[in-house]
Amino acid sequence: GENVEQHPSTLSVQEGDSAVIKCTYSDSASNYFPWYKQELGKGPQLIIDIRSNVGEKKDQRIAVTLNKTAKHFSLHITETQPEDSAVYFCASPSDTGRRALTFGSGTRLQVQP
Amino acid sequence: DVKVTQSSRYLVKRTGEKVFLECVQDMDHENMFWYRQDPGLGLRLIYFSYDVKMKEKGDIPEGYSVSREKKERFSLILESASTNQTSMYLCASSLSGHSGSGSFGPGTRLLVL
Repeated sequence: GENVEQHPSTLSVQEGDSAVIKCTYSDSASNYFPWYKQELGKGPQLIIDIRSNVGEKKDQRIAVTLNKTAKHFSLHITETQPEDSAVYFCASPSDTGRRALTFGSGTRLQVQP
Repeated sequence: DVKVTQSSRYLVKRTGEKVFLECVQDMDHENMFWYRQDPGLGLRLIYFSYDVKMKEKGDIPEGYSVSREKKERFSLILESASTNQTSMYLCASSLSGHSGSGSFGPGTRLLVL
């Protein structure tokens, strides 16, 4: 089945710096790569996603890049703010009919003011 | 926005009890999912359903069952709760044909004593 590895597990940055979280996946047939943000006491919320027909997608301060050859994708957050502090998860479609997701283990991002 | 609600935010149960976790979504989504979230392991799929009365096993179905009698409601059942089922349980829903898990509920934190 699909295997998703995520690094680092924790990341601390100064406010205004950039943060990068990386994930690798195992199934070369995977074609959809979402990123979720989970704030304390809440369920994960989709913040950005990318499909395999593009290499990069941006939405204001966040961007996702995809390298299908190397089977990895990354989340980039620029000009970080304290409210970016949360746990971030990457995911890709599981092999259970592609309806569900296989998630990475999560990255706890702490933005120091 | 899709609203996914879960019946309880916190539950404390005893070993051997039968436990019901309820999830309701209000956007007529075909797909519904149950994940459990544990530190360092990310989210792992327990079961999902793509239609009323339909269910599919996820990656960790052992010790769990599900019920989908109505489109908007998806229940997770622990037939005989055990301490290793202490976890955060997250419900999600999505439209048919969409990869991924769409919108998540706030989660139920279950403690089995």
